[in-house]
Amino acid sequence: DAKTTQPTSMDCAEGRAANLPCNHSTISGNEYVYWYRQIHSQGPQYIIHGLKNNETNEMASLIITEDRKSSTLILPHATLRDTAVYYCIVIGWGKLQFGAGTQVVVTP
Amino acid sequence: EAGVAQSPRYKIIEKRQSVAFWCNPISGHATLYWYQQILGQGPKLLIQFQNNGVVDDSQLPKDRFSAERLKGVDSTLKIQPAKLEDSAVYLCASSSYRAAKNIQYFGAGTRLSVL
Repeated sequence: DAKTTQPTSMDCAEGRAANLPCNHSTISGNEYVYWYRQIHSQGPQYIIHGLKNNETNEMASLIITEDRKSSTLILPHATLRDTAVYYCIVIGWGKLQFGAGTQVVVTP
Repeated sequence: EAGVAQSPRYKIIEKRQSVAFWCNPISGHATLYWYQQILGQGPKLLIQFQNNGVVDDSQLPKDRFSAERLKGVDSTLKIQPAKLEDSAVYLCASSSYRAAKNIQYFGAGTRLSVL
């Protein structure tokens, strides 16, 4: 499965959009991009996934570049409850492998 | 729909003692996972069950860790004897093949401290 690179940390103002980048330059054609988040003292929570088209659900939007080498998770209106570690995972038929993720802090 | 249940939430033991963790997955989920999360790191898969059979236990330290999923529902993870480096959060997750394979639902975890 492809390796991903995420920033270590990000700050975001409450009510603004949070744009979380992820690089996955070695992604192959059958691999999906998954996003999970982990709020302090909780287990990881699935957010969204995609193959090559942009995806949107009630939690977030996922924008994947045309060459699929990078993606951006967008939280449209960040709230304090969105403070968490966000994991970008690229996976085909293997198992979920969590990296260190991005620590996102939403401030009032 | 009830989520993944784990118990206990916290456990403190001394090294060389044994400990067991319990997990009840979401009803109807055939696949169950145990992860270990060391402080400051992402979760690492220890073992994956499909119904009551083991699919992947390649990262399970089998000299001290064991897991079972009798009747394909609840699961127990055991450590015997525990070492200091086993201090971590142990997470259980489940998934259904009716949904995407990698949409997993996690419990809150059991925080283990080995002294």
